[in-house]
Amino acid sequence: DADVTQTPRNRITKTGKRIMLECSQTKGHDRMYWYRQDPGLGLRLIYYSFDVKDINKGEISDGYSVSRQAQAKFSLSLESAIPNQTALYFCATSTPGSTGELFFGEGSRLTVL
Amino acid sequence: GDSVTQMEGPVTLSEEAFLTINCTYTATGYPSLFWYVQYPGEGLQLLLKATKADDKGSNKGFEATYRKETTSFHLEKGSVQVSDSAVYFCALGGSNYKLTFGKGTLLTVNP
Repeated sequence: DADVTQTPRNRITKTGKRIMLECSQTKGHDRMYWYRQDPGLGLRLIYYSFDVKDINKGEISDGYSVSRQAQAKFSLSLESAIPNQTALYFCATSTPGSTGELFFGEGSRLTVL
Repeated sequence: GDSVTQMEGPVTLSEEAFLTINCTYTATGYPSLFWYVQYPGEGLQLLLKATKADDKGSNKGFEATYRKETTSFHLEKGSVQVSDSAVYFCALGGSNYKLTFGKGTLLTVNP
């Protein structure tokens, strides 16, 4: 089983719908991240959390919210999805001793029609 | 702010050719530098890293040297294989452990 698991792996939805992407990890890491990948734009940070009580906005947080339910779980929500949120979303984890190395899930592909 | 600029792709090579993917960065302080690889349909995985100037990261035949004087971390491999076909991302890690990624370079290796 993967150390960082994302669900769903693929989702098609309509404009205005609420969507939640879930991430769970078995690595025991404190730090969790949500990134968005778009062709030609690389990865951009949406939100990150250094522990259960610490949530921080990344560079593109508008239109998104997150919840850190436990050390192992970090969910990303789109309250009212719009077409330009169509992208590949990645969850990642890290530990303070890793000098910044991230461990990624396999991604959640979201299409907003 | 921190930024990473890497060579635009796509890059297409024949098997056993030499590979270079350029990466330069802008950062305050002394960042760590990384190359991540994304194989088709998968998430990113760390390929190699360097944490201080003049360090050389290496893995699977790939190498990159942290050059502070030129703010560069170019990825090289002497002889690529078809299985190296993937997207390669250069990344910079600042003191707060957030990574800043380049836009990615798609490499295709033909038999």
